[in-house]
Amino acid sequence: AQTVTQSQPEMSVQEAETVTLSCTYDTSESDYYLFWYKQPPSRQMILVIRQEAYKQQNATENRFSVNFQKAAKSFSLKISDSQLGDAAMYFCATCRGGSEKLVFGKGTKLTVNP
Amino acid sequence: KAGVTQTPRYLIKTRGQQVTLSCSPISGHRSVSWYQQTPGQGLQFLFEYFSETQRNKGNFPGRFSGRQFSNSRSEMNVSTLELGDSALYLCASSGLGLRDEQFFGPGTRLTVL
Repeated sequence: AQTVTQSQPEMSVQEAETVTLSCTYDTSESDYYLFWYKQPPSRQMILVIRQEAYKQQNATENRFSVNFQKAAKSFSLKISDSQLGDAAMYFCATCRGGSEKLVFGKGTKLTVNP
Repeated sequence: KAGVTQTPRYLIKTRGQQVTLSCSPISGHRSVSWYQQTPGQGLQFLFEYFSETQRNKGNFPGRFSGRQFSNSRSEMNVSTLELGDSALYLCASSGLGLRDEQFFGPGTRLTVL
C-alpha cells in the first residue's frame, strides 16, 4: 500500500519570500510518480508539478521546484517569490506506474501574507 | 478546450435516499476517476473508468457505484445515503496514456441531512 504524509497542516509565507512544503511517502512500487496539487478556495484542483521516480533530476515549473530524495522517500515543494495567488491547500500525492489511482496526503494550507 | 464539468454543483439529500452525480471529461479524454474529499479522511479514491470499464476501485462499500458511457461521460451513484457520505466529490479525467496529467473538475458538494 502507498501512503503519503504531510507533517505541516498550515504554513505561512510573506509575499516574495520562499517557502518549502514537506512531504514523505511510502511505497513498495519501483515504478511510481509523485505530484503536488494545489486546491485554491474555489476548490478546483490544479497540478503544480510532477516527478517521475526513475528520474534523478528534480522537476521544476517556473517558481515551483521539488527536492526529490528517493532513498529518504521525501518529496518537498519549494515555492519561490511567493505571490498572493499561491494561497491554497497543497496536496502531495503518489500513484504507481500503470495506474490512475492517486493517493493523497492530508494537505498543507498555505497562507501568503502581503 | 472546455474543462471537466460536474453536475450538480450542490446537492442536499436526506438519509436513506440515493443520489447520482455526473462528470463530463475533457473532450478526447477516456479515463475518468472519482474521489471523495472530507475534512476527516481527506481525499480518497473511489474508482476509475476507462473506455466504459472499471479499471480500478478504492475501498468503499458497495453503496458506491459508477459507470461510464460511450462518450466517456461518467456517473457515480450512492445508494442508501448516510450522514458520513457528506463530502465534496471530485471527478478527474485524463487522456490517452496512463502518464497523462489528470484534470480535476470543480466538484459536487453533497450534504446528507
